[in-house]
Order: sequence, then C-alpha cells, then structure tokens
Amino acid sequence: DTGVSQDPRHKITKRGQNVTFRCDPISEHNRLYWYRQTLGQGPEFLTYFQNEAQLEKSRLLSDRFSAERPKGSFSTLEIQRTEQGDSAMYLCASSTTGFSGMDEQFFGPGTRLTVL
Amino acid sequence: EDQVTQSPEALRLQEGESSSLNCSYTVSGLRGLFWYRQDPGKGPEFLFTLYSAGEEKEKERLKATLTKKESFLHITAPKPEDSATYLCAVQGGWYGNNRLAFGKGNQVVVIP
Repeated sequence: DTGVSQDPRHKITKRGQNVTFRCDPISEHNRLYWYRQTLGQGPEFLTYFQNEAQLEKSRLLSDRFSAERPKGSFSTLEIQRTEQGDSAMYLCASSTTGFSGMDEQFFGPGTRLTVL
Repeated sequence: EDQVTQSPEALRLQEGESSSLNCSYTVSGLRGLFWYRQDPGKGPEFLFTLYSAGEEKEKERLKATLTKKESFLHITAPKPEDSATYLCAVQGGWYGNNRLAFGKGNQVVVIP
C-alpha cells in the first residue's frame, strides 16, 4: 500500500465554479478526515467519516461544502460556487481504530485549490 | 476549544547546532499529542504520538517529550535535510472526538 492518495494535486478555477476533490485512503482504514490549510497556518479540521457515516463536521464547513464517502472507501469533497477565500490546500487523512480510541492519522499529499 | 501554540515560529540553525521546539496546549482531557513534519507543498508526515506526561519517543535525530502542559521536539545535531515545518497537534475530550487541533508550526531551516 502506498499511502493516502488525492486527486487532483492542483486545481485552478474561476470564482463561482464548482470543484470536486477525491481522496483514496490507506486500504482498510475505516476513518477518513478532511482538513484545510492556508499559508502559514496549521491544518484545520473540516469533517470526519467512520466507514460511510459522516460523524462530525466543523462549523468551517459551510453549506457550499459537501463531503461523501460511499461504501466506506474513497471520499469526495465538493465545493459549490467557489469563492476566493476557498483558496487553500485541502488535505485528506485516514486512520484505523486504535487503542482506547486513539488513532494516528496519515495524510495525503493534498490538493492545492486556487480560485481566481 | 482545544488550542495549540508553537514557538518559535521560525528557527535558523547551523548544521550540528542542537535546539528544541516548544508546543504548549490547552485541551479538555488530552488523549494524545502528535508531531508531524511538513515539507513545502506536501502533506504532513507523521512522526510521533505521545499519550501521557513523562513519555518520550525518539527517531533518528528527533526526540519528543511530553508534560501536562507542553511538548518539546528536540533536534540533535541537525542536518540540512531536517529543514521543514514541524507541526504539533492534540486530540482531546470525549471518546469519538477524533479531530486534531494543530498549531501553526515551527519552521526550521538548517544551514550547511
């Protein structure tokens, strides 16, 4: 297994357009996370899936954002009507249930979104 | 709300000059503290997990320690390839709260 993969790696779009990103987690990892990172900041949590169920969403995740994880495998993150403030690196991470609920999250390479 | 503060924000070291990075945290019931390394334009790379005060972990030139209020990442005799941003994150609170709260990072440059 080669780790978490994300596609595309880079996306340039015009304001108002919709974009969709894909994340493929490490095989057999039942937990999948989306984070957003802007320049000079640490990653900020967006949402979390356990298998196919979306269990937690940040208040950062406006109604323009939607995430899915059909069949508990890959996940997609869609942003509708993009705004310039959506420009960021979108990171996906996966983990598996560990000791006492602790889990180590492994990150993918990210998708860099630029909204013009 | 979980909070993480990392200092210094940026650090320039001569090759071989050992130093320490600080991560101070405020969390309701720490379940774990994580250190990651991030190279420019790439995703964070997992380094360590620390679960309880007094715990220490080592990997090559890096050593992470944990107290009840902060964690340190010690870099011993750094090399230029240790140049990166080091991110600290905490996971706390109730079981089922799986989000990580990150600091802004410590940007380290090691000069040959």
